[in-house]
Amino acid sequence: DADVTQTPRNRITKTGKRIMLECSQTKGHDRMYWYRQDPGLGLQLIYYSFDVKDINKGEISDGYSVSRQAQAKFSLSLESAIPNQTALYFCATSDPDRGQFFGPGTRLTVL
Amino acid sequence: QKEVEQDPGPLSVPEGAIVSLNCTYSNSAFQYFMWYRQYSRKGPELLMYTYSSGNKEDGRFTAQVDKSSKYISLFIRDSQPSDSATYLCAMSESQAGTALIFGKGTTLSVSS
Repeated sequence: DADVTQTPRNRITKTGKRIMLECSQTKGHDRMYWYRQDPGLGLQLIYYSFDVKDINKGEISDGYSVSRQAQAKFSLSLESAIPNQTALYFCATSDPDRGQFFGPGTRLTVL
Repeated sequence: QKEVEQDPGPLSVPEGAIVSLNCTYSNSAFQYFMWYRQYSRKGPELLMYTYSSGNKEDGRFTAQVDKSSKYISLFIRDSQPSDSATYLCAMSESQAGTALIFGKGTTLSVSS
């Protein structure tokens, strides 16, 4: 089984809809992250969490919210999706001695 | 000036060539440096993780960090078609990367 899983893997939705992307990990890491990747822009950090009670905004948090339900689960929500949120979304966890480990990604299209 | 600069390529080489991938950065506080490989429609995969200046080797891959020049490199020896992917450099000030700053990635194509 994969260490970091994301659901759904693909999602098409309409402008104004609420969307939730889910991430689960079996690596036992405390730290989890959400990134988006756009062609030509690289990876940008949306939110990160050091433990269940510690959630922090990244560089592009506007329009997004997160929930850390447990050590192993970190969800990203788009309360009212807009077309420029069309992107590839990645969840990651980190080991202090070894860096960050990424999930397979969710391809989100907002029409 | 972007914090991390990386030539997007594409870079095309024949099988067996030595590949050199590079990033420059402006923030002298960066201490942790990483290289990720990303295949199309997949998540980034951690290849190399280094601290401060110096070299680190792992199989066909060698990572070099020159903090005095704010320059990092990834060398791939005996390149294979399976190495065809996008390579992302990433760096952070703190251990494990509170906030990893990524380059935009270099696309590599290795032809057989």
